[in-house]
Amino acid sequence: KAGVTQTPRYLIKTRGQQVTLSCSPISGHRSVSWYQQTPGQGLQFLFEYFSETQRNKGNFPGRFSGRQFSNSRSEMNVSTLELGDSALYLCASSARPNTGELFFGEGSRLTVL
Amino acid sequence: DQQVKQNSPSLSVQEGRISILNCDYTNSMFDYFLWYKKYPAEGPTFLISISSIKDKNEDGRFTVFLNKSAKHLSLHIVPSQPGDSAVYFCAASARTGNQFYFGTGTSLTVIP
Repeated sequence: KAGVTQTPRYLIKTRGQQVTLSCSPISGHRSVSWYQQTPGQGLQFLFEYFSETQRNKGNFPGRFSGRQFSNSRSEMNVSTLELGDSALYLCASSARPNTGELFFGEGSRLTVL
Repeated sequence: DQQVKQNSPSLSVQEGRISILNCDYTNSMFDYFLWYKKYPAEGPTFLISISSIKDKNEDGRFTVFLNKSAKHLSLHIVPSQPGDSAVYFCAASARTGNQFYFGTGTSLTVIP
């Protein structure tokens, strides 16, 4: 069974640009969550999608957005990039919300110059 | 506002001894707790969980203890092995969805 796949794995952008990250969940999983990991901050919750609907959103500015498609694949977008957006962005999937166990992808490492 | 705290950034333990990783939380609504292990360049992998209706859960060498009155949980690894060297995150949820609150992690080094 294939795991959670995130693309791209690494990317470099400059301030002011925008970026789109993609996540393919485990087959059959319909819930996708996104987290930002920065040194010293642990994993910070961005948002969660289930059946194409955003169920929860973390405390991030509106520059961070996401969506989920009918095949459960998800994308997140960050517009007007800032230096502080440099982080590892992790996607996690689960069969449904409230199951607890999240299966994480390897992450997309974003560097903003 | 860090609702889940891991106050020890790092821990070193000799192979074969017990590793104890600690985690504190502030939100009394949290009722489900998990531990994840993360190797460099990989995503976190689920290790063990505990519901607030229990105070202990075991899975092989891993045991998680929950003290609700102290809002504290700990992960015990016995015996510790070099392959256990990784960053360990605790996470908590109020079951309103998959919004888990993660600690900042503890880097465990098991010395052969």
